[in-house]
Amino acid sequence: SQQGEEDPQALSIQEGENATMNCSYKTSINNLQWYRQNSGRGLVHLILIRSNEREKHSGRLRVTLDTSKKSSSLLITASRAADTASYFCATDAGGQNFVFGPGTRLSVLP
Amino acid sequence: NAGVMQNPRHLVRRRGQEARLRCSPMKGHSHVYWYRQLPEEGLKFMVYLQKENIIDESGMPKERFSAEFPKEGPSILRIQQVVRGDSAAYFCASSLADGNQPQHFGDGTRLSIL
Repeated sequence: SQQGEEDPQALSIQEGENATMNCSYKTSINNLQWYRQNSGRGLVHLILIRSNEREKHSGRLRVTLDTSKKSSSLLITASRAADTASYFCATDAGGQNFVFGPGTRLSVLP
Repeated sequence: NAGVMQNPRHLVRRRGQEARLRCSPMKGHSHVYWYRQLPEEGLKFMVYLQKENIIDESGMPKERFSAEFPKEGPSILRIQQVVRGDSAAYFCASSLADGNQPQHFGDGTRLSIL
């Protein structure tokens, strides 16, 4: 599998529910980032969490990082139809470029 | 709009032609990254450049592909003698510095090869 791999591949929920996406990686990292991509658009940066941090919040987003398990999760609370998008995690893998996972496609149904 | 600007948004080429994709980074950003994305897939890193220097081109195919980021003007991703398999969305991102900085993405160039 890849350095960064999201799970599940696709997620469909009702508006108002919470959505949780997971990311697993293989090698040591300096930081991990989550991005969102709407159809036909570029990626939008959501949150960066450093390897010495365990949890970070931004509005309705909550990101956790467990370096012992080499995993991260992105929680979107009280989801809205506008949250429908693909979500990617990216890891620096100690290098100078980022490795993106294949993404989780989230559908929020009204 | 002070964001990352890519042009053209859509580019159609016939097999054997050349494709030139342009990227103007955000103001003040000197680090540029190029990625390729196939439908329903994640982004694949191609090349990382700073002004006038290629820092990491480990994701670039050895032949037909080249990239530059001159002192003046946009970064250019050039694909010579395009083939059908080059059809994809190509995204550019810029950042203030490498490593611990978020990357800011353009809306991509969708390349179609006839």
